[in-house]
Amino acid sequence: GESVGLHLPTLSVQEGDNSIINCAYSNSASDYFIWYKQESGKGPQFIIDIRSNMDKRQGQRVTVLLNKTVKHLSLQIAATQPGDSAVYFCAENGNTDKLIFGTGTRLQVFP
Amino acid sequence: ETGVTQTPRHLVMGMTNKKSLKCEQHLGHNAMYWYKQSAKKPLELMFVYNFKEQTENNSVPSRFSPECPNSSHLFLHLHTLQPEDSALYLCASSQDAAQETQYFGPGTRLLVL
Repeated sequence: GESVGLHLPTLSVQEGDNSIINCAYSNSASDYFIWYKQESGKGPQFIIDIRSNMDKRQGQRVTVLLNKTVKHLSLQIAATQPGDSAVYFCAENGNTDKLIFGTGTRLQVFP
Repeated sequence: ETGVTQTPRHLVMGMTNKKSLKCEQHLGHNAMYWYKQSAKKPLELMFVYNFKEQTENNSVPSRFSPECPNSSHLFLHLHTLQPEDSALYLCASSQDAAQETQYFGPGTRLLVL
């Protein structure tokens, strides 16, 4: 079956440093990828997405990189802040109209 | 705020109770979704409605019954649940079912005793 996984279940970074959260996907037919942030007690919040015709997309303090050769997706957060502490999910569409989610990586930001 | 609201935010129910979860989206979207989120597991898609028509039932037990009276509202009726049904139930919406970008509500934390 399809699967989306994350290399690191927990990532601890110092405030001000850059964070990189990685995601491996298994379906080479996926052409859409999305990152969500979920804070404690809240629903997933859209961060950034990317289509397979791109390898990089930037938002405000966030960058998503897509490497289709090795089926790898990453989320880079610049100048990580305490408010960035959350669980981050990647998802792929498997070339369908449904999203397939990973289990998530917890980002902890310490002073 | 994502434009998707859910009520109640917390619910405790016995296995013989009947309760309903409500979701409302203010984004003008035409597709709505129910997901189940359990600890240490990926989000599980339960149901999809597109233009008020159910287009996906992901092998969900009949004790969960969805209802979509219009494109802005989605309900999940619960009846004779089991303790293992305790989870966070998330509602999401998208422009339509072919649009992958989904926006989530805050969820209902359900505890079945």
